[in-house]
Amino acid sequence: GAGVSQSPSNKVTEKGKDVELRCDPISGHTALYWYRQSLGQGLEFLIYFQGNSAPDKSGLPSDRFSAERTGGSVSTLTIQRTQQEDSAVYLCASSLGTGEETQYFGPGTRLLVL
Amino acid sequence: GESVGLHLPTLSVQEGDNSIINCAYSNSASDYFIWYKQESGKGPQFIIDIRSNMDKRQGQRVTVLLNKTVKHLSLQIAATQPGDSAVYFCAENWNTGRRALTFGSGTRLQVQP
Repeated sequence: GAGVSQSPSNKVTEKGKDVELRCDPISGHTALYWYRQSLGQGLEFLIYFQGNSAPDKSGLPSDRFSAERTGGSVSTLTIQRTQQEDSAVYLCASSLGTGEETQYFGPGTRLLVL
Repeated sequence: GESVGLHLPTLSVQEGDNSIINCAYSNSASDYFIWYKQESGKGPQFIIDIRSNMDKRQGQRVTVLLNKTVKHLSLQIAATQPGDSAVYFCAENWNTGRRALTFGSGTRLQVQP
């Protein structure tokens, strides 16, 4: 079946604008994760959704960042009033959520804030 | 704080040689470890995983070794090929409700023809 997909693949925006990044997880996966990867760095956890439970937002760097997951499937990560330090690759991953922890990643969205 | 780290930022090997990528972790509560491969412009790709109740696991051309005594994880790639050139990340997970992964900073593997 299809893997995790993300859109857009690239996004260039001006400082102060809002952006929305989309993630379509693997069908049947109940767990969804957002990570951020700055240039040449490892991945930084942002937020985690598991089924209908309240999301774990402990990794969000500021209140400008928010995420939703509608219908237990598609997720949108929103960054308000973007700053240059928000420039990074935003990666989405999903897993079965039944105790199987292997996370499968999408290709990422490359965000550049000018 | 607790972290996952890598000993070598760049590893260069000859095609056909075996490669060993090392990783140190500091969280003794970690119970699950994963190696990911990331090629330029792509998301991380799952390679192999291992649980804390094991010390070795083999896949196709890859072996992961876990030494809990010294909190060390390694990835061995047999007969390294040019297609293995990428950045390799180790990641750990401990038994929290979140199950999010903590990643190391990565090791770049360069395979010379």
